[in-house]
Amino acid sequence: GAVVSQHPSRVICKSGTSVKIECRSLDFQATTMFWYRQFPKQSLMLMATSNEGSKATYEQGVEKDKFLINHASLTLSTLTVTSAHPEDSSFYICSARDRKGQGNQPQHFGDGTRLSIL
Amino acid sequence: GNSVTQMEGPVTLSEEAFLTINCTYTATGYPSLFWYVQYPGEGLQLLLKATKADDKGSNKGFEATYRKETTSFHLEKGSVQVSDSAVYFCALIAPTGSGGSNYKLTFGKGTLLTVNP
Repeated sequence: GAVVSQHPSRVICKSGTSVKIECRSLDFQATTMFWYRQFPKQSLMLMATSNEGSKATYEQGVEKDKFLINHASLTLSTLTVTSAHPEDSSFYICSARDRKGQGNQPQHFGDGTRLSIL
Repeated sequence: GNSVTQMEGPVTLSEEAFLTINCTYTATGYPSLFWYVQYPGEGLQLLLKATKADDKGSNKGFEATYRKETTSFHLEKGSVQVSDSAVYFCALIAPTGSGGSNYKLTFGKGTLLTVNP
């Protein structure tokens, strides 16, 4: 089945560091990828929609300058948490939608990145 | 707007018990419905889906039927196993934005299932 690889799986770093998370679709092309944030014991919160070759669309309340998204190819989107602080610690999950097929087809999720800022 | 309401957990069952997790939705247009499962420390995996009324999605012994009249998509399994312990999310995709150009997943809050041997 469709596979989405997310890397790294876990990051621990000091406050003020910028952290880049990669999301790759391994066996399909994705014009659209999604970035979510999940707090402990809560549901996923959509942060932004990443569109290949154009600017990402951010959800209300998500800081564009804080969470930089780049979708440079049909198989790769990156999320950079700039100057991370302890309140940015969370579980970040990406998903991708196969460019073949309609928009109401299921998204395929990566395994998530646990970000811990000290 | 679109929303998903699912049964709040946690749900604790003994092995081989019957499972039901209720899910109802509100949506503009005609949504597609999904159940995703999240095992501890992992991302989400698609469990099953249904794209039109009366469709039944099924996988790994789990089933859910798209009921348009009751706007529901309840998840069921006849005999749960310890390995089914996870968080289950009901979700929908319905077109949003101008011209229905966006297809965003809307999730329920998730239901934690624990199955004891």
